[in-house]
Amino acid sequence: DTAVSQTPKYLVTQMGNDKSIKCEQNLGHDTMYWYKQDSKKFLKIMFSYNNKELIINETVPNRFSPKSPDKAHLNLHINSLELGDSAVYFCASSRGGNQPQHFGDGTRLSIL
Amino acid sequence: AQSVTQLDSQVPVFEEAPVELRCNYSSSVSVYLFWYVQYPNQGLQLLLKYLSGSTLVKGINGFEAEFNKSQTSFHLRKPSVHISDTAEYFCAVGNTGNQFYFGTGTSLTVIP
Repeated sequence: DTAVSQTPKYLVTQMGNDKSIKCEQNLGHDTMYWYKQDSKKFLKIMFSYNNKELIINETVPNRFSPKSPDKAHLNLHINSLELGDSAVYFCASSRGGNQPQHFGDGTRLSIL
Repeated sequence: AQSVTQLDSQVPVFEEAPVELRCNYSSSVSVYLFWYVQYPNQGLQLLLKYLSGSTLVKGINGFEAEFNKSQTSFHLRKPSVHISDTAEYFCAVGNTGNQFYFGTGTSLTVIP
């Protein structure tokens, strides 16, 4: 069984569109994260939720909006996509900051 | 505030040679340290972790790391690398406040 699953795996779309990426974890973890990995492999944390509440909101454009309907899900909605949004987006979950994070396989977003 | 520094962005090494990937951290509170590996086009996998106890930590695939509090380091080592170890390696630090920081990554290339 997949522990952290993201859909879709690949997302190709045009500038200006709105898209969503879904993430689900079946590990019973309380904390979930979204990361952006650029072409240089640099990992940047975007958001963190603990029990459906936002606890980390790094400096990202407000076109990015996370939604956590329950503690097993953390979705990422992106409005008005721009070329610079092209990256790999990873979802992760953990029991907390002192525990390892479990990552999904990533969503490769390409903006045309 | 916490931060993680991986001093080497790229490390080439010949097959069967030993390797050390360096990681230094800064923190004013107790830390929890992790190494992750990312194979091409995949998500991050946990290699090993230091939460407490013995400062020498053994992980998967023959890797180990040593927590050195006085030098604020957590270097990753392997006595003999294989071609299959070619990947991106990330050091990370967490704390009890649900915060988690990744280093900028080290690209390990094993040369036949």
